[in-house]
Amino acid sequence: GAGVSQSPSNKVTEKGKDVELRCDPISGHTALYWYRQSLGQGLEFLIYFQGNSAPDKSGLPSDRFSAERTGGSVSTLTIQRTQQEDSAVYLCASSYGQKLFFGSGTQLSVL
Amino acid sequence: QQPVQSPQAVILREGEDAVINCSSSKALYSVHWYRQKHGEAPVFLMILLKGGEQKGHEKISASFNEKKQQSSLYLTASQLSYSGTYFCGTRLSGAGSYQLTFGKGTKLSVIP
Repeated sequence: GAGVSQSPSNKVTEKGKDVELRCDPISGHTALYWYRQSLGQGLEFLIYFQGNSAPDKSGLPSDRFSAERTGGSVSTLTIQRTQQEDSAVYLCASSYGQKLFFGSGTQLSVL
Repeated sequence: QQPVQSPQAVILREGEDAVINCSSSKALYSVHWYRQKHGEAPVFLMILLKGGEQKGHEKISASFNEKKQQSSLYLTASQLSYSGTYFCGTRLSGAGSYQLTFGKGTKLSVIP
């Protein structure tokens, strides 16, 4: 079956614009994670969804960041009024048990 | 809450061994190890649950000392294919602790 799919793979935007990043998890995976990867900073946790439970939003860096997961499947990460420091690779991962399967990420560049 | 990894980077010749360490200041439920090759997504290597177990994957093994909240990844007889950045991820003990927090990574370069 298909793995975790993220789109777009690359996104260039101007400072101040809003962007939406999409994640299609592996079918049947109940958990979904968003991470941000900046150079030298490792994998920074953003948000976690598990089934119908309230998401763990503790990693979102500011109120400009939000995410939703519709129907327990597809997730969208939205960044409003983008800033240059938002430039990074945004990775999505899904899991059924303990093992996470990562997508290839969206490279976001804010000019 | 972010685990601390050491070293930050290591260069090995083929056939040499290496150890990557991961430590936390909080009580851990599990430690996860992933490897990311340049330009690719991180890939799962292994998970260790509290209990001090040791697991293996190819010639890569790991241990978890829950008393010290430390884990070590052992790479023996390294191969060129082992090159990449290794991340440890930790889940804390306690109800509702599902967040998986990763360290900053250890970049491993294996040269001929």
